[in-house]
Amino acid sequence: QSALTQPASVSGSPGQPITISCTGTSSDVGSYNLVSWYQQHPGKAPQLMIYEGSKRPSGVSDRFSGSKSGNTASLTISGLQAEDEADYYCCSYAGRSTLVFGGGTKLTVL
Amino acid sequence: QVQLQESGPGLVKPSETLSLTCTVSSYSISSGYYWGWIRQPPGKGLEWIGSIYRSGSTYYNSSLKSRVTMSVDTSKNQFSLKLSSVTATDTAVYYCARESGYCSSTSCYMVAFDIWGQGTMVTVSP
Repeated sequence: QSALTQPASVSGSPGQPITISCTGTSSDVGSYNLVSWYQQHPGKAPQLMIYEGSKRPSGVSDRFSGSKSGNTASLTISGLQAEDEADYYCCSYAGRSTLVFGGGTKLTVL
Repeated sequence: QVQLQESGPGLVKPSETLSLTCTVSSYSISSGYYWGWIRQPPGKGLEWIGSIYRSGSTYYNSSLKSRVTMSVDTSKNQFSLKLSSVTATDTAVYYCARESGYCSSTSCYMVAFDIWGQGTMVTVSP
C-alpha cells in the first residue's frame, strides 16, 4: 500500500477556484469510486468533505466538489475563502479491505 | 450528536505496547458501522492503522499488521487499539473514527470516516 500522491502545496486568491489532485494506481483510485477527502485545520481533527468521489456530507459547502479521471481523483474548491486555508487529504479504498491516504496538501489562501 | 473520545497513556516506553480506547457516545456500536484508528506523526500526514466491525472482524494496514490488535466491547460501547513493540516512529496523534462501509458476499468496502475523535498524542520515549 503506497501512499497516494498529492501536491505538497497549492495556493489561490479569495474568490478563485483551486484544484487538488490525488494520484493513485489501478489498484486503488482507478478501480473503485471510493475516494474521500478530508480538511484539517491546525491542531484539529480531520473533517470529511467528500465521499464516494463526489458526494458531500450534510453541512459541507457546495463550493467543495470531487471528481475522478482514471487513477487520479480531484478536489475542487470554488470561490476560495479565508477559512478554506487548511491541509487536505485524500483517501481511497485499496482492495482487500484496506485503505490508503494521500500525503496531504497545504492550501494557502493568498 | 455522535461523539468519539480517545483515552490512554500519553507516554509509552520503547518495546512496550501502546494501548488506546475509544469511547463512543450517542450511538450504539452494536447498531452498525465500522470503527477505525488513524494516526498522524508530528508534522506529517495521516496513516490508516485499521478498522473493526461490531462483530469483531478486523482489517489492518499491512505495514502494521504484525503489531496491531483491535477489539470491540459492545457492553461498554468502546473499541480499542493495541500496538506492540513500539519505537520512536510510532510517536503520533492517534485518532479514532466512525467509518461507513458495506460488504458484499466476497469483500468489505470502506467508504469514509465521517466522525472523528479529537485525537490523543502518544509519545514513545524511554
